[in-house]
Amino acid sequence: EAGVAQSPRYKIIEKRQSVAFWCNPISGHATLYWYQQILGQGPKLLIQFQNNGVVDDSQLPKDRFSAERLKGVDSTLKIQPAKLEDSAVYLCASSPGGQGGENIEKLFFGSGTQLSVL
Amino acid sequence: SQQGEEDPQALSIQEGENATMNCSYKTSINNLQWYRQNSGRGLVHLILIRSNEREKHSGRLRVTLDTSKKSSSLLITASRAADTASYFCATSPWGFKTIFGAGTRLFVKA
Repeated sequence: EAGVAQSPRYKIIEKRQSVAFWCNPISGHATLYWYQQILGQGPKLLIQFQNNGVVDDSQLPKDRFSAERLKGVDSTLKIQPAKLEDSAVYLCASSPGGQGGENIEKLFFGSGTQLSVL
Repeated sequence: SQQGEEDPQALSIQEGENATMNCSYKTSINNLQWYRQNSGRGLVHLILIRSNEREKHSGRLRVTLDTSKKSSSLLITASRAADTASYFCATSPWGFKTIFGAGTRLFVKA
């Protein structure tokens, strides 16, 4: 079974520039998450999709961050314009979701995109 | 805001010793999960315990959950150098979110 794919692996940009990250979840997984992980901290949930609908985006800085999940499969996260404090690893995760089963809430993570804003 | 808080923040032990990490959380939960993160990698799921369970085992891992104290512990027995990683608890309040704590950094010396 293929895992969660993310690209790019690394990205270096200057402040005020734009950047986009891409995520391809595990096939059939209904729920997709974007987390931001600042060095030395735990992952912070930015946005959660159930199929192509947003379940939670309460911690997404909507003045600069946007995310979409096309056709309930792939997702992109965009930052425009970037700030120095956006330097972090951006993790995408997916879970089966749905009803019943042992692992519906288990999250499968990609390797992340490390963003450096200079 | 973070739901779970791990303790200790960092732990250094010798290979073969047991490692215990604790997690406290604030609100009622549906389940609690533990994840491991090796440096520069994504998180890997270790174990999930539901709110109506008190203890669960998986290989060298033992997790306990005390909902009255809103706390959980992760025990790794007979630790190995390969267990060196950060360990995070994640809680799911009744709803859909999965919220992570700040993590415990474990270093196992060979």
